[in-house]
Amino acid sequence: SYLLTQPPSVSVAPGKTARITCAGNNIGTKSVHWYQQKPGQAPVLVIFYSSDRPSGIPDRFSGSNSGNTATLTISRVEAGDEADYYCQVWDTSTVHRIFGGGTKLTVL
Amino acid sequence: EVQLVESGGDLVQPGGSLRLSCVASGFTFSNFAMSWVRQAPGKGMEWVSAISGSGGNTYYADSVKGRFTISRDNSKTTVFLQLNSLRAEDTAIYYCAKDLTLGGHDAFDIWGQGTMVSVSS
Repeated sequence: SYLLTQPPSVSVAPGKTARITCAGNNIGTKSVHWYQQKPGQAPVLVIFYSSDRPSGIPDRFSGSNSGNTATLTISRVEAGDEADYYCQVWDTSTVHRIFGGGTKLTVL
Repeated sequence: EVQLVESGGDLVQPGGSLRLSCVASGFTFSNFAMSWVRQAPGKGMEWVSAISGSGGNTYYADSVKGRFTISRDNSKTTVFLQLNSLRAEDTAIYYCAKDLTLGGHDAFDIWGQGTMVSVSS
């Protein structure tokens, strides 16, 4: 089945830019969705269709997708951005939704 | 306000059964596919099952196929997950999630708060 690979952790200083990657075979041909999950809370959609932002999500959050890697970029990182981030796609061959393993973003 | 509220989680012995419910409000329920997604303690997200808006199409992860059954009652704006032959590895928070658009197979734009299922003797 389709596999999505994320780095387990990413660290960034406040005010800097964080980039979280999601690797998959030809992922650039798929729509990638990103979720933010803070401890003890349900996930929140932050990017859909690889680069669209739901209403209410700051424009500091952006997404890109090409080749074998999709990227979630968080600009001007704030302490409140510290969370786990998951990428997700729809695997057309199995008709299953697939999640990446998640990346813990630490704000130094 | 768009909202999903799950219930039914409990402590159950291996081999036991549970029925989870998710009551939706604030949107036209029958127009959207719904999914269950679980998260084992300290682990990542795992999609479990999905059902189309009409209920006519259902989908399951390989790890639960044949043991779990998803269904919905559009008149009660509720989606269910019947869990049978439960194993220790089914221990997780189970979230109900709504598809973003009518087309299905989509992002999840609304999530419930989750309900905890613990499988242990």
